[in-house]
Amino acid sequence: DVKVTQSSRYLVKRTGEKVFLECVQDMDHENMFWYRQDPGLGLRLIYFSYDVKMKEKGDIPEGYSVSREKKERFSLILESASTNQTSMYLCASSYWGQANYGYTFGSGTRLTVV
Amino acid sequence: GENVEQHPSTLSVQEGDSAVIKCTYSDSASNYFPWYKQELGKGPQLIIDIRSNVGEKKDQRIAVTLNKTAKHFSLHITETQPEDSAVYFCAASISPGGGKLTFGQGTILTVHP
Repeated sequence: DVKVTQSSRYLVKRTGEKVFLECVQDMDHENMFWYRQDPGLGLRLIYFSYDVKMKEKGDIPEGYSVSREKKERFSLILESASTNQTSMYLCASSYWGQANYGYTFGSGTRLTVV
Repeated sequence: GENVEQHPSTLSVQEGDSAVIKCTYSDSASNYFPWYKQELGKGPQLIIDIRSNVGEKKDQRIAVTLNKTAKHFSLHITETQPEDSAVYFCAASISPGGGKLTFGQGTILTVHP
């Protein structure tokens, strides 16, 4: 019954490493999103995509990039990981349409950069 | 861009009491306001939402109210149960259905048996 799958639950990386966070959804949703969750700050939007090959910056895109080569997969890339990118990363997807506005979230990837 | 403020950051109630979480938003063009519940170790899950043409919506023990003039909306949980303990997030959107959401800071609700 899993609908949005994030490849790793926990990840520990070293400063300066290139990090890939993968997200796959099986609901044929057009829209996909990457958020980071930090205590007291809520969920902040990093990048989103409304279609294959399409991407748009969210509120905090610095230090991140994304890739969407297939409709079901949306990857978040940390080009050179830094300690301030230690966080919980949440992927979500949604469907365009009046009937359903809700997001479906993955379980999250807790990334620690040391 | 849109800014959503959520209060309180923590809320502790006794089982059976009511709980109220409040959010304000900045962009008067926002037209969709969902609430998400995040249990430990899980991603947030949509529990109720409201659109700008409606003032109140109920679903069993939970309800959401919207005051467009004041730009605030609230989540009400009645007859709270220990399983209601979780982190709750409000959000707002100016995008068409399914578009990007701006979230509040979250409220940690603890219901004591």
